[in-house]
Amino acid sequence: QKEVEQNSGPLSVPEGAIASLNCTYSDRVSQSFFWYRQYSGKSPELIMSIYSNGDKEDGRFTAQLNKASQYVSLLIRDSQPSDSATYLCAVLTGANNLFFGTGTRLTVIP
Amino acid sequence: EPEVTQTPSHQVTQMGQEVILRCVPISNHLYFYWYRQILGQKVEFLVSFYNNEISEKSEIFDDQFSVERPDGSNFTLKIRSTKLEDSAMYFCASSRSVANYGYTFGSGTRLTVV
Repeated sequence: QKEVEQNSGPLSVPEGAIASLNCTYSDRVSQSFFWYRQYSGKSPELIMSIYSNGDKEDGRFTAQLNKASQYVSLLIRDSQPSDSATYLCAVLTGANNLFFGTGTRLTVIP
Repeated sequence: EPEVTQTPSHQVTQMGQEVILRCVPISNHLYFYWYRQILGQKVEFLVSFYNNEISEKSEIFDDQFSVERPDGSNFTLKIRSTKLEDSAMYFCASSRSVANYGYTFGSGTRLTVV
């Protein structure tokens, strides 16, 4: 049974702070991981992907992957009110589709 | 930027009626998907489609559901006899290589069964 676990939140951070979002997954053979952002009532939009252990940076976003611990995280630096959304962790399955976690709701307080 | 287009944006239907949700994937994409999201819940996989056939389907995708790519551009999801519990947002997604690029989602169709 595939599992992708995320803390549902809400996670509240003040504007300008670092938001840290975490995800664990159960399938050891998973190789590709994705973070999506979903605003209320909208569709998910891709933020970042990560495939190798370590950090991957893209602007204010950093994804971190630790395959030994089956853990992937997303850091958002200098958080802005416009970052307030639900962040979805997704894992690529062996059947070539994405399995999503329940998402973490982030609120950035001005 | 290329988009995945879904129509209609909102569909209200009577229980027991058939509905068809339509999607136009990005033109050079090869992999197509339907997901659903019940209000306040997670994004759930329904079905994947590649090379004109279903690649995988979830337990949710029972005999009431079917998918078609009738003309090389559209990708449809049909629900034969809708139930109240089918009320959800339905997202179409496409990709040219999931491992490398993930999915691009459409804006969704909100289905309300009354």
